[in-house]
Amino acid sequence: DIQMTQSPSSLSASVGDRVTITCRASQDISNNLAWFQQKPGKAPKSLIYSASSLQSGVPSKFSGSGSGTDFTLTISSLQPEDFATYYCQQYNRYPCTFGQGTKLEIK
Amino acid sequence: EVQLLESGGGLVHPGGSLRLSCAASGFTLSNYAMSWVRQAPGKGLEWVSTISASGASTYFADSVKGRFTISRDSSKNTLYLQMNSLKVEDTALYYCARYNNLDFWGQGTLVTVSS
Repeated sequence: DIQMTQSPSSLSASVGDRVTITCRASQDISNNLAWFQQKPGKAPKSLIYSASSLQSGVPSKFSGSGSGTDFTLTISSLQPEDFATYYCQQYNRYPCTFGQGTKLEIK
Repeated sequence: EVQLLESGGGLVHPGGSLRLSCAASGFTLSNYAMSWVRQAPGKGLEWVSTISASGASTYFADSVKGRFTISRDSSKNTLYLQMNSLKVEDTALYYCARYNNLDFWGQGTLVTVSS
């Protein structure tokens, strides 16, 4: 199985900051990577697919990059509504696998 | 508007069975691969199963292989997850999601396996 490792596991930041979350795959997954945002008590929401394509309706403050094994999610100009848990997921090969999540908290 | 509505969750004893449903609207379910993802209380996301757009292929996590089956009814535009031989560790909120990159999610249905 492909292991997905996110870092950091948690992150404290301030409103207005720019943050980057990293996701590393244990083997080459090309660009078959998605990013999700989950707020407490809510279903996950798709942000990014194909490593860098923004889902419709998602603000451009979210951006993704990477290919192969190393990927990043960058959120610019943090707002209160951006504080949530973020997950990466590979869908290059079954079983699909998620990273363990990154909890973004207000400093 | 794309919507997914899960149902069928509940409390079941270990060894029991449940069938989850996911009613889709706003798109034709049989045009897309569809997946189930679960989240145990306080834990991260775990992919459970996917059925291909054609329905010819199904995939399962090792943790549920041989116990769960995935299917769909195109006439009802509904996805199903049949869960047999349930274990305590299957306790989770179960989500259905569209496509292999999970672009739309339902709100989830809670499955509790407990004696």
